[in-house]
Amino acid sequence: GQNIDQPTEMTATEGAIVQINCTYQTSGFNGLFWYQQHAGEAPTFLSYNVLDGLEEKGRFSSFLSRSKGYSYLLLKELQMKDSASYLCAVRFYGNNRLAFGKGNQVVVIP
Amino acid sequence: DAGVIQSPRHEVTEMGQEVTLRCKPISGHNSLFWYRQTMMRGLELLIYFNNNVPIDDSGMPEDRFSAKMPNASFSTLKIQPSEPRDSAVYFCASSGASGGNNEQFFGPGTRLTVL
Repeated sequence: GQNIDQPTEMTATEGAIVQINCTYQTSGFNGLFWYQQHAGEAPTFLSYNVLDGLEEKGRFSSFLSRSKGYSYLLLKELQMKDSASYLCAVRFYGNNRLAFGKGNQVVVIP
Repeated sequence: DAGVIQSPRHEVTEMGQEVTLRCKPISGHNSLFWYRQTMMRGLELLIYFNNNVPIDDSGMPEDRFSAKMPNASFSTLKIQPSEPRDSAVYFCASSGASGGNNEQFFGPGTRLTVL
């Protein structure tokens, strides 16, 4: 199976920290990607995890626990431009196929 | 680098008409993906090619949909005949060699409306 579950929407204040969770049930797991998608635009790559632990890239960090089928994306020092949908996607072993969750809409307010 | 190029950006057509969407992947990328995005179903993979060969077309909804990749720099997704439920944003994406952190780069998408 490839059930990929994300909560649908959250609101946060500028400057705050927000955590976006993603759980998955899939066989043949070979990496998890996070993408950002602004309204009316294409998804753009944010981060990649294949081993357990935390990957940090500036204000964004992503965590993976393979045994728990769980990942989160942490957005720090929120800015208005961070208002977007955040999609997690699981890659299958042996090919480049990605299965996307439905995304979590983050709304940043002043 | 021009990125992934898609055309048209918007398409409005009537039910029953043929629709052809076009994609030019990033030069040097050997994997190409066609996705469909709707509010209800999110981002769904329709088909993907590796070195111009279709590898996985399990996401193609039905025989009305077909995709081709005649060479490394061009792909088409065709819907014939189109139906109102095909209305969605269709994205093309490309990536480099399999494995590792080779992310997929998405084109701007084609917004299709079937009346």
